[in-house]
Amino acid sequence: QKEVEQNSGPLSVPEGAIASLNCTYSDRGSQSFFWYRQYSGKSPELIMFIYSNGDKEDGRFTAQLNKASQYVSLLIRDSQPSDSATYLCAGITIAYSGAGSYQLTFGKGTKLSVIP
Amino acid sequence: KAGVTQTPRYLIKTRGQQVTLSCSPISGHRSVSWYQQTPGQGLQFLFEYFSETQRNKGNFPGRFSGRQFSNSRSEMNVSTLELGDSALYLCASSEVAGPSTDTQYFGPGTRLTVL
Repeated sequence: QKEVEQNSGPLSVPEGAIASLNCTYSDRGSQSFFWYRQYSGKSPELIMFIYSNGDKEDGRFTAQLNKASQYVSLLIRDSQPSDSATYLCAGITIAYSGAGSYQLTFGKGTKLSVIP
Repeated sequence: KAGVTQTPRYLIKTRGQQVTLSCSPISGHRSVSWYQQTPGQGLQFLFEYFSETQRNKGNFPGRFSGRQFSNSRSEMNVSTLELGDSALYLCASSEVAGPSTDTQYFGPGTRLTVL
């Protein structure tokens, strides 16, 4: 079973600080990774995706991918209380239905709390 | 555009019963994926339908099945319900067959409780 692993947290950071969320994956064939944010009682929403080694920035969010070490991270700069949510890392892996089939495999999420 | 809609939002069933959940994707989206979310296992992929065909399937027993209609609406059926099937069932739609870097939009989910 291809896995995506995250520290469940909770991760607490003060308002204005940088929050760093990490994710590792076991499938070396995975090429694309996604970060979703899920507020309590709500459905996940896509923050950003990354498929190239290195950094990708979008506003206060920076995703980092290191394929050699098989980890993905998400940095949130100038964290705000509204960023408090569970962050889900996901990668495209081969699906159970076999070769040629793919699925999004999610980590269990890291709960982030931004303290005012 | 209206978002992804799921019905019903809440459902209570007893062991052994069967249940059908419905998902209407965003207009123009032809791919619908279904996920099960539980506190213990997180978000797990069930299957994906695109143009009425099941493309990908996750590691779930045959009690979980689905279908997609010509208008892209999808239904998921769970037969012979077990207590462990209690979960939030989410569907997600996208324009192209997935998964891909095309954004998947999630619906609000159906909360299923099995007693």
